[in-house]
Amino acid sequence: GQNIDQPTEMTATEGAIVQINCTYQTSGFNGLFWYQQHAGEAPTFLSYNVLDGLEEKGRFSSFLSRSKGYSYLLLKELQMKDSASYLCAVRHRPEAAGNKLTFGGGTRVLVKP
Amino acid sequence: GAGVSQTPSNKVTEKGKYVELRCDPISGHTALYWYRQSLGQGPEFLIYFQGTGAADDSGLPNDRFFAVRPEGSVSTLKIQRTERGDSAVYLCASSPPTRPEQFFGPGTRLTVL
Repeated sequence: GQNIDQPTEMTATEGAIVQINCTYQTSGFNGLFWYQQHAGEAPTFLSYNVLDGLEEKGRFSSFLSRSKGYSYLLLKELQMKDSASYLCAVRHRPEAAGNKLTFGGGTRVLVKP
Repeated sequence: GAGVSQTPSNKVTEKGKYVELRCDPISGHTALYWYRQSLGQGPEFLIYFQGTGAADDSGLPNDRFFAVRPEGSVSTLKIQRTERGDSAVYLCASSPPTRPEQFFGPGTRLTVL
């Protein structure tokens, strides 16, 4: 089966840094996604990690450790518009489950002025 | 259009009725996914199409749910004898042949009274 855990909610101050952790237990791992979802809107793609290490993309970075079943999303220089839910999702191998994604429950980040 | 489109955006129906939800993927995307998202939770996989065929329908909750993609483009999710527990946002996503990202549509909010 699959089990993906991430904190329910986090609060941070504008201009600060926040790190959202995600741990997973799954068979047939084939990469990990982070999506951002504003209330009432569709999830939008942020990052994809398939190898261990850090991927940096502007203010957002994502890290993966496959041996530990662990990832984090780092948001730097927080802006008010970053207030949203952040979804961690594991991608499964095509032969196992056709590239489907299994999502965590999402972490709601609230950025305060 | 540039992105995944879904119609209707909102659907209110009565318990026991039949509903159809439509998804129009990004042109050229061969893979199409349906997910269901309840309030405060991450999306939950329902079914995956590769071309016209359902490659994985393991997420459909029961036989009241059915989906088709007859020409390998537009897909329709069909729910028979709706129940109040079916109320959720139904998300469609598509992905191109050469990239792993799934691009989500805005969703259809289904309310069963």
